[in-house]
Formats: sequence, C-alpha cells, structure tokens
Amino acid sequence: DVKVTQSSRYLVKRTGEKVFLECVQDMDHENMFWYRQDPGLGLRLIYFSYDVKMKEKGDIPEGYSVSREKKERFSLILESASTNQTSMYLCASTPGGNNQPQHFGDGTRLSIL
Amino acid sequence: KQEVTQIPAALSVPEGENLVLNCSFTDSAIYNLQWFRQDPGKGLTSLLLIQSSQREQTSGRLNASLDKSSGRSTLYIAASQPGDSATYLCAVRRGIAGKSTFGDGTTLTVKP
Repeated sequence: DVKVTQSSRYLVKRTGEKVFLECVQDMDHENMFWYRQDPGLGLRLIYFSYDVKMKEKGDIPEGYSVSREKKERFSLILESASTNQTSMYLCASTPGGNNQPQHFGDGTRLSIL
Repeated sequence: KQEVTQIPAALSVPEGENLVLNCSFTDSAIYNLQWFRQDPGKGLTSLLLIQSSQREQTSGRLNASLDKSSGRSTLYIAASQPGDSATYLCAVRRGIAGKSTFGDGTTLTVKP
C-alpha cells in the first residue's frame, strides 16, 4: 500500500515564526501536492510538484513556499506564519500519468497563535 | 474554471439502507473523477477512481458511475453500515500535472 507520511499530526506555532511541514511518500511517485482544508471552503491547492526541484503554484500560494530536493519528500514552508494560516494541511501524491489515484497523508492540524 | 458541487451536504439514514451520493461538475473535459472518504480529523482515503473513458467502477459495496456529458457522478453504497459514517468527497482531475478540484463533501451518518 502507498504510504504518505506527514511529520506532525498537530502543531502549534506563534505569529511570525517560520514553519516547516514535511511530507514523505514511499512509492516513488512523481507528483506531490499540498492542500489546506477549512470549514466552508473545502480543499484548496497551495502548491504542487511534478518532479524533483519542480514546483507550480496552486490556487492559494500566497504566504507559502515549497521545496522538493528529493523525489520522496515535499516540504511546505510558511515564511512568516499568520493566524489566518491556522488550518488542516493535507499532503498527497500520485504516480505520473493522468489516471492514477491520489493518496493522502493523515494531515497536520496547524494552529498559529 | 471547474466547479464541483455535492448535494446534499449531509445525509442521515438507518443501517441497511441503500443510498446514493451525488457529485456535479461544470466542465466535462476531465481525465478522471475520484471518490474519497474522510473520517473526522483524518486525511482522505481513496475509494474509487473512474477514468474519463469509463462509465462505472465497483469495489465491494461501493459503485461509482460517471456521465461526462451531463457533468455528473454518483456513489452508490449498498447495505449501509454505521462504519460507513464519514464525509465523502469527489474530486475532478484534468491535466498531466494532476490538479484536482474537490467538492465540499457529503457527511453521511448511518444510524444503528
């Protein structure tokens, strides 16, 4: 089975801090994604990557950056955390090609105080 | 811009009932549609993926159908059980990079 692992289930940080969320997948998937999920707004795509060192902006990239130095790892960075970035963050991966399912991690519940 | 709608937002049924969840999308130029289950506070678990060239997919008590021309998909759950209680989301995907648009989900409660 595909395993997508997010480094923390719960995280509490302070306004202005630089925050790193890590995601690792063990199935050699080309594509990786970062979403945030908020009540009433659903899942929204922040960034995605279709190869090592490649990244593309999603629908809401402002205030975030990403890093993909190795194929299995995709990091989301909050450059200067703000309270409106309190959310559930979900990482997903999928093999290359259009007709493969996305696999999700368990999510990181991030609170910015 | 693709928009995905799931109606109803919530559904409560007695155990054993067969039920249908609906997913509508505005742009029929899709590559696939995926149904997920999400338990409270957890990530999404993939249930079924239907490719654009397919009409339906089945897994156990679940059957998903796709009608691209009308922009609709349904998830049929047979003989529902309390363990089926969760939020069910559909996601429509297009493009090699695999960007998906998600619906807001239907929260299902199956009462014993």
